[in-house]
Amino acid sequence: QKEVEQDPGPLSVPEGAIVSLNCTYSNSAFQYFMWYRQYSRKGPELLMYTYSSGNKEDGRFTAQVDKSSKYISLFIRDSQPSDSATYLCAMALTWNAGGTSYGKLTFGQGTILTVHP
Amino acid sequence: KAGVTQTPRYLIKTRGQQVTLSCSPISGHRSVSWYQQTPGQGLQFLFEYFSETQRNKGNFPGRFSGRQFSNSRSEMNVSTLELGDSALYLCASSLLGTNNEQFFGPGTRLTVL
Repeated sequence: QKEVEQDPGPLSVPEGAIVSLNCTYSNSAFQYFMWYRQYSRKGPELLMYTYSSGNKEDGRFTAQVDKSSKYISLFIRDSQPSDSATYLCAMALTWNAGGTSYGKLTFGQGTILTVHP
Repeated sequence: KAGVTQTPRYLIKTRGQQVTLSCSPISGHRSVSWYQQTPGQGLQFLFEYFSETQRNKGNFPGRFSGRQFSNSRSEMNVSTLELGDSALYLCASSLLGTNNEQFFGPGTRLTVL
């Protein structure tokens, strides 16, 4: 079983729809939760970053984290054709050993989203 | 502020050859991480360098190696290329490490024939 599970889709929605993207995880040690957007032939870009349970809003995007259920979501309101991309969830855990800080970032498989006019 | 740059953008090699990819992080960022992205496995962590030291390593064979220079620029090397090494190799820089915001470069698309 993968540490982070994400439905690869593809997901196709009409312009203006509310989009819900989800990831589940098995490692309760994850401390930081992120959503990245990746356009074709580009590197991922960070959309949302959070470290606590609850909701975080940024414009049309809302990130939701439920640590008790090991579940995170990204909601996109009033979706636009320009939102068409692959969305990746990512989770990080960090630890200290011998005075050095270490970190590990684990990504979901990515969900391909198409918003059609 | 200039973003993360990676060179070359595209590369074609044959099995058994070796390849070196380069990454220049955002100015002031000391952490550079490398990832391999394939359709089947998604984005997988290769290793992270911080202040010229490898701080963390993923589950990849020893054919994959890297280094970081004093100006934080990083290179990764893959020796004895296999067909399965064909992938998009992404570099990400951050101020302090994986718990900070990571900024990705455009990647190097490696094709092994």
